Amino acid sequence: GQNIDQPTEMTATEGAIVQINCTYQTSGFNGLFWYQQHAGEAPTFLSYNVLDGLEEKGRFSSFLSRSKGYSYLLLKELQMKDSASYLCAVSLAGGGNKLTFGTGTQLKVEL
Amino acid sequence: DTAVSQTPKYLVTQMGNDKSIKCEQNLGHDTMYWYKQDSKKFLKIMFSYNNKELIINETVPNRFSPKSPDKAHLNLHINSLELGDSAVYFCASSQGLAGKPETQYFGPGTRLLVL
Repeated sequence: GQNIDQPTEMTATEGAIVQINCTYQTSGFNGLFWYQQHAGEAPTFLSYNVLDGLEEKGRFSSFLSRSKGYSYLLLKELQMKDSASYLCAVSLAGGGNKLTFGTGTQLKVEL
Repeated sequence: DTAVSQTPKYLVTQMGNDKSIKCEQNLGHDTMYWYKQDSKKFLKIMFSYNNKELIINETVPNRFSPKSPDKAHLNLHINSLELGDSAVYFCASSQGLAGKPETQYFGPGTRLLVL
């Protein structure tokens, strides 16, 4: 079966940097996505990795190591509005663009 | 303009009833999806259509029947609603390029509560 693990909750301070880890064991791999979901709202796309390495997008960066089945999302200069759930999702090869999601990491940003 | 829209936003109904949720996207995408997010916030794929053709059909009770009248619309009909069907149902769409993983754009969700 498919297994995607993320920490359930994290707390960080405004202005700081936080790293949210995701490990996966899936049959086939075609890319890894990170989504942000605020309470009561829809998931919104943050970043995508298909090759090993770091993808940077403003305050957000995502890293992938395919050999280790590992990714992380790095959030810099945290703001209160970054308090949300962060979802790691793996796209499976031959899966018709099917995304398998982790359980999400609830990030709380405090003053 | 809303890219992916769903109706209704909230749905409260009795056990045993039949209900439908509608989804529309104006992004010109070929592929649409239905996801279920349970009370623990776990998001799970249910169905996917590409240009009106069913391409993903996860292990979902056959009380759930998707229908895609055209590539911009994907509806979900649920028969004989059960308490465990209470969840948030999200529609999503993506461009539909074969063989490539794509960003999916989600609708605002339909909050279904079965009493």
